[in-house]
Amino acid sequence: QKEVEQDPGPLSVPEGAIVSLNCTYSNSAFQYFMWYRQYSRKGPELLMYTYSSGNKEDGRFTAQVDKSSKYISLFIRDSQPSDSATYLCAMKREGYSTLTFGKGTMLLVSP
Amino acid sequence: GAVVSQHPSWVICKSGTSVKIECRSLDFQATTMFWYRQFPKQSLMLMATSNEGSKATYEQGVEKDKFLINHASLTLSTLTVTSAHPEDSSFYICSAPDPVYTEAFFGQGTRLTVV
Repeated sequence: QKEVEQDPGPLSVPEGAIVSLNCTYSNSAFQYFMWYRQYSRKGPELLMYTYSSGNKEDGRFTAQVDKSSKYISLFIRDSQPSDSATYLCAMKREGYSTLTFGKGTMLLVSP
Repeated sequence: GAVVSQHPSWVICKSGTSVKIECRSLDFQATTMFWYRQFPKQSLMLMATSNEGSKATYEQGVEKDKFLINHASLTLSTLTVTSAHPEDSSFYICSAPDPVYTEAFFGQGTRLTVV
């Protein structure tokens, strides 16, 4: 079993839809959870950053972490065509700087 | 937020030549930087960890003599692909953790094409 599992998609939705992206993980030592957005041929950019369990909201984006289930989610409300990108989850342990990435989910938002 | 600058953004080189990619942290010091490789529609694969003032740590299966890493200062790490071959063509990305925010910031990536 890989440390971090993420469905590669693609996930296709119409503009305005609510998008749910998810990752599961196996290492209970992970404490920091991140979501990155990567446009084609660009470096990833940090979207959301969460420490331990709980929810975090930033505009149209909400990140949820359920450590008991080893499950994290990113919700995008009122999705826009400009949200079309690959979304990568990443996580790391306390005291470590190395990130473990999911495969990334490609999201396509059609006008 | 913190910025990591990577240069060049794309490069084409002939087989057998070497290519150097630079990664700079612009507004913070990075004692550690990471180098990733990404194939089309794949996730980031960690190649090596660059450490300022000491040797880089390579992941299993990554040839250290082929992918030379130098962390010359607290703001600069370089990756040199030596004797490049077409199979080295890929997207290379560096990142640096910001010690204040414990986040990782990524460079823009370098698309290498070896012909």
